[in-house]
Amino acid sequence: AQSVTQPDIHITVSEGASLELRCNYSYGATPYLFWYVQSPGQGLQLLLKYFSGDTLVQGIKGFEAEFKRSQSSFNLRKPSVHWSDAAEYFCAVYIDDYKLSFGAGTTVTVRA
Amino acid sequence: NAGVTQTPKFRVLKTGQSMTLLCAQDMNHEYMYWYRQDPGMGLRLIHYSVGEGTTAKGEVPDGYNVSRLKKQNFLLGLESAAPSQTSVYFCASSFKNIQYFGAGTRLSVL
Repeated sequence: AQSVTQPDIHITVSEGASLELRCNYSYGATPYLFWYVQSPGQGLQLLLKYFSGDTLVQGIKGFEAEFKRSQSSFNLRKPSVHWSDAAEYFCAVYIDDYKLSFGAGTTVTVRA
Repeated sequence: NAGVTQTPKFRVLKTGQSMTLLCAQDMNHEYMYWYRQDPGMGLRLIHYSVGEGTTAKGEVPDGYNVSRLKKQNFLLGLESAAPSQTSVYFCASSFKNIQYFGAGTRLSVL
């Protein structure tokens, strides 16, 4: 069955430092992959997506992600974290009939 | 520019009570979804709809019913609430493989 694994439950990073969130997927065909962000008390907002083409994808808020088929990974990165990046981040993959399968999420804490 | 609107935002129920959560979207999307979010489990799909008048079961449908009488609305019902249904519920609609989410409904069942 298709699935998404986010190995890190919680990450703490200093403001201004770089951030990388890991995502591994299990899917037979070429996956459609997504990263969403959820700020406290809010809904989910799409950060970026990968459907095909260039494996380095740029998103909103200065985030980027790289699709690596050989590693079944779609890791999210940001070069310099801002306090407002404190949130929960979800990786997701389309499975069938336009349904998404979500990872369990990674909570990011930003310290001053 | 409302997007996906969920009503209510918060609700407290007693075990055995019923309620309906309303999701409305103004983007003319065909597909709509109901998820529940629980700590450490990400979002799990409850039910979804691929168009007006259609519904289908997702990953965790037991204890919930849905209706899609109008294209813009997707209702989630709990006929007899249980404490295990305490959760945050999210509605989404999708277009061109991208899902757009509402702000969520926080439900507590005592």
